[in-house]
Amino acid sequence: AQSVAQPEDQVNVAEGNPLTVKCTYSVSGNPYLFWYVQYPNRGLQFLLKYITGDNLVKGSYGFEAEFNKSQTSFHLKKPSALVSDSALYFCAVRPTPGTGGYNKLIFGAGTRLAVHP
Amino acid sequence: NAGVTQTPKFQVLKTGQSMTLQCAQDMNHEYMSWYRQDPGMGLRLIHYSVGAGITDQGEVPNGYNVSRSTTEDFPLRLLSAAPSQTSVYFCASSYSQGISYEQYFGPGTRLTVT
Repeated sequence: AQSVAQPEDQVNVAEGNPLTVKCTYSVSGNPYLFWYVQYPNRGLQFLLKYITGDNLVKGSYGFEAEFNKSQTSFHLKKPSALVSDSALYFCAVRPTPGTGGYNKLIFGAGTRLAVHP
Repeated sequence: NAGVTQTPKFQVLKTGQSMTLQCAQDMNHEYMSWYRQDPGMGLRLIHYSVGAGITDQGEVPNGYNVSRSTTEDFPLRLLSAAPSQTSVYFCASSYSQGISYEQYFGPGTRLTVT
């Protein structure tokens, strides 16, 4: 079955320190990968995506993510965390054409990021 | 542009009642979808549409109906509400189902079924 795993329910980071939010996937073929962020009482906002090309993709608000095909991972990173980065982060995957479910996004359960002053 | 709008923001229903959650977008997006968000489960796809007149089921379609008569609107109907449908519902849209454009989400509807 196709799935996305975010192994950490919560990540705690001190302001100014680097942060990593982990994501692994189980999808056949070459999926498209996404990160979204949700602030309290808001809808999800797109952060970045990986389709093809350079394994390191840069997105909004200084975030970046590294695609690792051999480890089927797509971890979200930021060199220096801000208190305002505190939010709920979702990894999502879209299967490639011909593998079924092409028109569907599969979301992970989410990871709550808490950045402390 | 208003983006993706959803009404109502909050709703309380009694078991067995029916209602429609409204979703509209003004970006001329072909693809629209409905998700429900439950704690610890992420977002799960209920129904989606790749264009006016075309809809399909997602991961958790039971108890919900959709229709897409126009490009702009994609209402979600709860036929007979059950406590298990207590959730936060999000509508989303994107440019095309054939290209992996990012999805734009509405602000959500928080539904409680008693």
